[in-house]
Amino acid sequence: SQKIEQNSEALNIQEGKTATLTCNYTNYSPAYLQWYRQDPGRGPVFLLLIRENEKEKRKERLKVTFDTTLKQSLFHITASQPADSATYLCALAGGNQFYFGTGTSLTVIP
Amino acid sequence: GAVVSQHPSRVICKSGTSVKIECRSLDFQATTMFWYRQFPKQSLMLMATSNEGSKATYEQGVEKDKFLINHASLTLSTLTVTSAHPEDSSFYICSARPSGSLSWEQYFGPGTRLLVL
Repeated sequence: SQKIEQNSEALNIQEGKTATLTCNYTNYSPAYLQWYRQDPGRGPVFLLLIRENEKEKRKERLKVTFDTTLKQSLFHITASQPADSATYLCALAGGNQFYFGTGTSLTVIP
Repeated sequence: GAVVSQHPSRVICKSGTSVKIECRSLDFQATTMFWYRQFPKQSLMLMATSNEGSKATYEQGVEKDKFLINHASLTLSTLTVTSAHPEDSSFYICSARPSGSLSWEQYFGPGTRLLVL
């Protein structure tokens, strides 16, 4: 069965630095990969999607890379702010189904 | 646009009772809706895929007789947890895919916190 791992359960960084989150997967060849933000007690909010034939995607302070050879996606938040503190989930998609990683809890320290 | 609501936002019930959770797409029609369950500090686990007008497709290990899903209209899907037990306590989240949209699109509801005493 497919397995999705996200680096360290929790990540703390200083405000203004770049946060880098990792999503690794096995036993799967997703057509695309998504990143979501989830705040405590709330549903996930879609951030970015990257397709299997794309290497990099950007949106404002967010950047996602997708390496299908390494089976890895990196999610970067540049110039991080305390408001970026949340749990970030990666999700693999193929066909009609999604599989979510366990999430990384990011805390940006003022 | 693309707002999904859930009701109730939280519910506390006694063991053995049934609980119904509603998922509504407020400003779009959704042929397909998904139901997820999330335990503390864990990721979302897909329980079932609900298609309007047909039977839901359940993931392996999810009891369809315990988690009844009804998708009677293009804007409403319901999940009924029958004879709830404390181990069913969890955060239940639905998502909705706009009809005719790309297969990757889904919009999540705010979730329902269920506590079974």
